[in-house]
Amino acid sequence: DVKVTQSSRYLVKRTGEKVFLECVQDMDHENMFWYRQDPGLGLRLIYFSYDVKMKEKGDIPEGYSVSREKKERFSLILESASTNQTSMYLCASRGDGANTEAFFGQGTRLTVV
Amino acid sequence: AQTVTQSQPEMSVQEAETVTLSCTYDTSESNYYLFWYKQPPSRQMILVIRQEAYKQQNATENRFSVNFQKAAKSFSLKISDSQLGDTAMYFCAFMKHGGNYQLIWGAGTKLIIKP
Repeated sequence: DVKVTQSSRYLVKRTGEKVFLECVQDMDHENMFWYRQDPGLGLRLIYFSYDVKMKEKGDIPEGYSVSREKKERFSLILESASTNQTSMYLCASRGDGANTEAFFGQGTRLTVV
Repeated sequence: AQTVTQSQPEMSVQEAETVTLSCTYDTSESNYYLFWYKQPPSRQMILVIRQEAYKQQNATENRFSVNFQKAAKSFSLKISDSQLGDTAMYFCAFMKHGGNYQLIWGAGTKLIIKP
């Protein structure tokens, strides 16, 4: 059974803290993604990575950075958390090629107070 | 740039009824893929059905089928014999062929199946 695992389901952090969201996949997928999900806005892409140490900005990268030191792990970093980063964060992975399915983690609901 | 629009923020139907969720998209691409994903209260996003634009035949997966109208850029999802377990957020997504195969998402439709 394929699996994408996010380290936390719920997280509460204080404004200004550095926050790490971790995502691990066991499918040997090349591509990994971090999305932010807000009501009425769908999923918005923050960053994605197509290989180890490779990353590209998505639609809303401001205030975030990422790290991919190993193929199976993709981390999202909030350098200095702010209240407007309170949201649901979803990690996904997929293999190469058009006809491959994206698999998702269960999401991390982050609250910044 | 591609956009995906889901015009129904929320819908509710009785169990066993048929329901259709709407999705329209805008693109100048000729080769692309369309998806419906389901996100139940457990938050696990699951692929429901996929359509390749070059295929004229509408995709079906058990009780789920799509009505793909390429000229109208419309991609609706029909759920037959709806069940309580179908209660979820449903997202329509677009992916163009080539490049980095990113998904472009609609805002979602919250579907409630009533007993």
